[in-house]
Amino acid sequence: DQQVKQNSPSLSVQEGRISILNCDYTNSMFDYFLWYKKYPAEGPTFLISISSIKDKNEDGRFTVFLNKSAKHLSLHIVPSQPGDSAVYFCAASAEGAGKSTFGDGTTLTVKP
Amino acid sequence: DTEVTQTPKHLVMGMTNKKSLKCEQHMGHRAMYWYKQKAKKPPELMFVYSYEKLSINESVPSRFSPECPNSSLLNLHLHALQPEDSALYLCASSQPVGKLFFGSGTQLSVL
Repeated sequence: DQQVKQNSPSLSVQEGRISILNCDYTNSMFDYFLWYKKYPAEGPTFLISISSIKDKNEDGRFTVFLNKSAKHLSLHIVPSQPGDSAVYFCAASAEGAGKSTFGDGTTLTVKP
Repeated sequence: DTEVTQTPKHLVMGMTNKKSLKCEQHMGHRAMYWYKQKAKKPPELMFVYSYEKLSINESVPSRFSPECPNSSLLNLHLHALQPEDSALYLCASSQPVGKLFFGSGTQLSVL
């Protein structure tokens, strides 16, 4: 049973437009959600996170939205830049679990 | 220093070899992790050390043996691996709760 799902394996957007990456989860015990970005041959790097007590967190061009009732979160990147082209992983953790569960990732391509 | 350093970056080994992967962080993080990642797949948790004690073993075969000599170092000892163990091995660290800081990984090929 996959507890964190990213249903879109890939997304292509034009430079300057908005990129929206989606993530769904099934475990209601998850209370902390993170997005990581990964370039080829590198480890993932942390991008932005959100606690379950919030519904929105913003950091520059990146905003994460959390809809707890729908068990859904999304990452908005605006404006998108070619350097944003990477694989984006959604991850979730539950208090006391000591680990994060990752989604399968979405490959974002931003075209100049 | 916000880096997690992994060595070696690449490793090729035969099925009878013994090798070790090394990981180091100087951020004062008390949790350290080993992940395995195959191409086009998410990182898959293998082991978690919390305050230098093994807290999670995700049913990893015994041919993988983790070791945490001190709060800054994490090793993964490899012995009698199979070709299907070929993957990118990622080390990460964190405060007990929070975001993970990943190293660049060791690309392992088992022949």
